[in-house]
Amino acid sequence: EVQLLESGGDLVQPGGSLRLSCVASGFLFLDYTMTWVRQSPEKGLEWVASISHDASRTHYADSVRGRFTVSRDNSQNAVFLQLNRLRGDDTALYFCAKSQLARRLFDPWDLWGQGTPVTVSS
Amino acid sequence: DIQMTQSPSSLSASVGDTITITCRASQDISNYVSWYQKKSGKAPKLLISDASTLESGVPRRFRGGGSGTEFTFAITALQPEDVATYFCQQSDSLPFTFGGGTKVQIE
Repeated sequence: EVQLLESGGDLVQPGGSLRLSCVASGFLFLDYTMTWVRQSPEKGLEWVASISHDASRTHYADSVRGRFTVSRDNSQNAVFLQLNRLRGDDTALYFCAKSQLARRLFDPWDLWGQGTPVTVSS
Repeated sequence: DIQMTQSPSSLSASVGDTITITCRASQDISNYVSWYQKKSGKAPKLLISDASTLESGVPRRFRGGGSGTEFTFAITALQPEDVATYFCQQSDSLPFTFGGGTKVQIE
């Protein structure tokens, strides 16, 4: 089955850290750019970060650059998002998503996971 | 950053009606617009890419159009299962940005 499954979301205090994981199945993972998107009532849908198929290029939203790190392990069909120095406005449901075409960054996302919730609160 | 201004933010219509959503980009983005459907508790679903290309398996009552800065999304013959929030998104340049969403309900 073609799917993405996120995990790792949790309740964390401001300033804390989390590592989100997204495991893919049903497609040739190593060929596709992967992206993290988050959704909150305050900001709606917000692109967070993307990583190229071979991990040679990463891109970040200004709001998370320097605090979040995206990585991938193609041998495990997994993409990760390390969240450091978390703030209240990072509270959101975090989705991973796959680019529609192989080795493309500027592309729609044709497969999404169900999301993993991150709550930043003391 | 490219701003995507989506309207209306919500609408209510009857089964069988046609509804239209508009997305305006703050600069020319050619046809690099996609439309997504988000149902509560479900993963977002890509419905339309490149402004007007219907994704495989998506019912033909969903339509997209436009180019440059003005884009439209329509559902003809609205069905109960279409209750959801719909988002536009631009993939012309980083940072990728979304419209604020349109919540579609059945009267």
